[in-house]
Amino acid sequence: QVQLVESGGGVVQPGRSLRLSCAASGFTFSSYGMHWVRQAPGKGLEWVAVIWYDGSNKYYTDSVKGRFTISRDNSKNTVYLQMNSLRAEDTAVYYCARSGGSYRDPWFDPWGQGTLVTVSS
Amino acid sequence: QSVLTQPPSVSGAPGQRVTISCTGSSSNIGAGYDVHWYQQLPGTAPKLLIYGNNNRPSGVPDRFSGSKSGTSASLAITGLQAEDEADYYCQSYDSSLSGSVFGGGTKLTVL
Repeated sequence: QVQLVESGGGVVQPGRSLRLSCAASGFTFSSYGMHWVRQAPGKGLEWVAVIWYDGSNKYYTDSVKGRFTISRDNSKNTVYLQMNSLRAEDTAVYYCARSGGSYRDPWFDPWGQGTLVTVSS
Repeated sequence: QSVLTQPPSVSGAPGQRVTISCTGSSSNIGAGYDVHWYQQLPGTAPKLLIYGNNNRPSGVPDRFSGSKSGTSASLAITGLQAEDEADYYCQSYDSSLSGSVFGGGTKLTVL
């Protein structure tokens, strides 16, 4: 079955870095775009970034541009989110999700279980 | 402040029908981009409920339906059941932001 498993979350001090991973299985990973979506504690969903199936294009929400980098390794069926210069407002559960539909009009299905990132001194 | 606007909460008795609205603008829903809906049960990851405005993924009961008109969309749930109690989010694409956007979420309470 299609499965996404995130890892790499934890507690990190402001200004430090963290790399999240999302391991995919059960589908042809190299054929799909992948997204990161986050949810701050008690808050709603916020789209963070997308990477196209071949890594040729990447897009980010404004609040993480220049600090976060999305990448993928199709040989390992894994997508990454490198998070630098972390801030308290980056504290959230980070989900990876497979892209459905077109790149300009995607939906997200399925989602991983999420990994919690806490930015605190 | 979310780009797409949803009511914070709705409620209904078992068996009733409820609707959740999602209002956007000319750069997202009004520009012709599709609306998708997700259900998030307490303590779990979101799950795709409706895609492409009115399509249900395999396994989603036909009690759930979606519609879109102009700059708005709606999710309707008929025959409310206790297990429908969850948070519901709409999502679309925004051309001015060059990215996906979500509504703030609506908490459904089954009375």
